[in-house]
Amino acid sequence: AQSVTQLGSHVSVSEGALVLLRCNYSSSVPPYLFWYVQYPNQGLQLLLKYTTGATLVKGINGFEAEFKKSETSFHLTKPSAHMSDAAEYFCAVSGDTGRRALTFGSGTRLQVQP
Amino acid sequence: EAGVAQSPRYKIIEKRQSVAFWCNPISGHATLYWYQQILGQGPKLLIQFQNNGVVDDSQLPKDRFSAERLKGVDSTLKIQPAKLEDSAVYLCASSLGGRGNEQFFGPGTRLTVL
Repeated sequence: AQSVTQLGSHVSVSEGALVLLRCNYSSSVPPYLFWYVQYPNQGLQLLLKYTTGATLVKGINGFEAEFKKSETSFHLTKPSAHMSDAAEYFCAVSGDTGRRALTFGSGTRLQVQP
Repeated sequence: EAGVAQSPRYKIIEKRQSVAFWCNPISGHATLYWYQQILGQGPKLLIQFQNNGVVDDSQLPKDRFSAERLKGVDSTLKIQPAKLEDSAVYLCASSLGGRGNEQFFGPGTRLTVL
């Protein structure tokens, strides 16, 4: 069984400031972790993923995330926020064996102030 | 490459009516998922298909929801009869099937039950 907790349903940052979105997971097997972004009235788009290997993963649009097994965390960061980053962000963990479906967190809405 | 197609994009019905949603996955993707996303929450799996067989439907309310994937390509999700709590966005996703493979999401169908 697996679960995901995203701390902070809303995060507001100024344009150019650091973005930090928090994600903690629980998994009975080594986790495969994902961050997706959702813009209004659109489906989800993959930002980045961790499967095995390097624990710091880089994604699209300047985002990156670090897998920390000891902390069961997979926080998403971006050094400098842009207005176009305003969206809903979801952290997810993949199921094991044949059940590949994603278990999502409740999401964090990112606001970027000018 | 064409993405995941869904129709209709929006649907408004009254409670106790029936409704059906259609999904056309990315060509060659063996695995297809239907997720339900209630406002303010992350997507939750309803059913997972591998080709035309069901892998996981443990969270599908089978007394009112049904889904099929004939010939292992297109899929339909049906609700009969609808309840107020079924108001949500229904997302279809497809992937090549491996645990680390990206799931590609369609734009979703927003259902409002009055």
